[in-house]
Amino acid sequence: GAVVSQHPSRVICKSGTSVKIECRSLDFQATTMFWYRQFPKQSLMLMATSNEGSKATYEQGVEKDKFLINHASLTLSTLTVTSAHPEDSSFYICSASGLAGSNTGELFFGEGSRLTVL
Amino acid sequence: GQNIDQPTEMTATEGAIVQINCTYQTSGFNGLFWYQQHAGEAPTFLSYNVLDGLEEKGRFSSFLSRSKGYSYLLLKELQMKDSASYLCAVENDYKLSFGAGTTVTVRA
Repeated sequence: GAVVSQHPSRVICKSGTSVKIECRSLDFQATTMFWYRQFPKQSLMLMATSNEGSKATYEQGVEKDKFLINHASLTLSTLTVTSAHPEDSSFYICSASGLAGSNTGELFFGEGSRLTVL
Repeated sequence: GQNIDQPTEMTATEGAIVQINCTYQTSGFNGLFWYQQHAGEAPTFLSYNVLDGLEEKGRFSSFLSRSKGYSYLLLKELQMKDSASYLCAVENDYKLSFGAGTTVTVRA
């Protein structure tokens, strides 16, 4: 099946710094990528939808200036957590679809990135 | 809005069958997914239902009733490795909304 790679898998940073997480589709062109956040023992919450070559669409309550998303190519989307604070500590997961939406019946997830802000 | 409910926890013995129910009330519906997630890992795809009825895939089956806003995931011949969280997710307008997940513990 299709592979989505996410990097780094784990990052620890100091409060106030910025962290970039990369999401790559390795064997298909991802026109749409989704970024999720998951706090411990909670479900995945969609943060934003990223379309190649256009601005990301953010879900209600997600600060677009804090969570910068760039989808510059069909194989790469990045999420930058700017001025990270301890409450941003979470598991961030990307997923990718090769078509307009997940109507293929499958959405491919990256391995996830665990961010810890000290 | 989206409201997706599933039980928090379930426990079963190895070799048994467990059924995880999911009810949903969403503003739109394009399909329902089930994912398995082990602790600290990303979810992996299990099944997708868009029409009413039962979809069987090996030891896992998923059922959907759109009129009732109801789905279930059936796990047969449980194995220890099936201990995980199972997430029900509804697709609407190309986005997935997830339930909180059901933690299944398989005991020997």
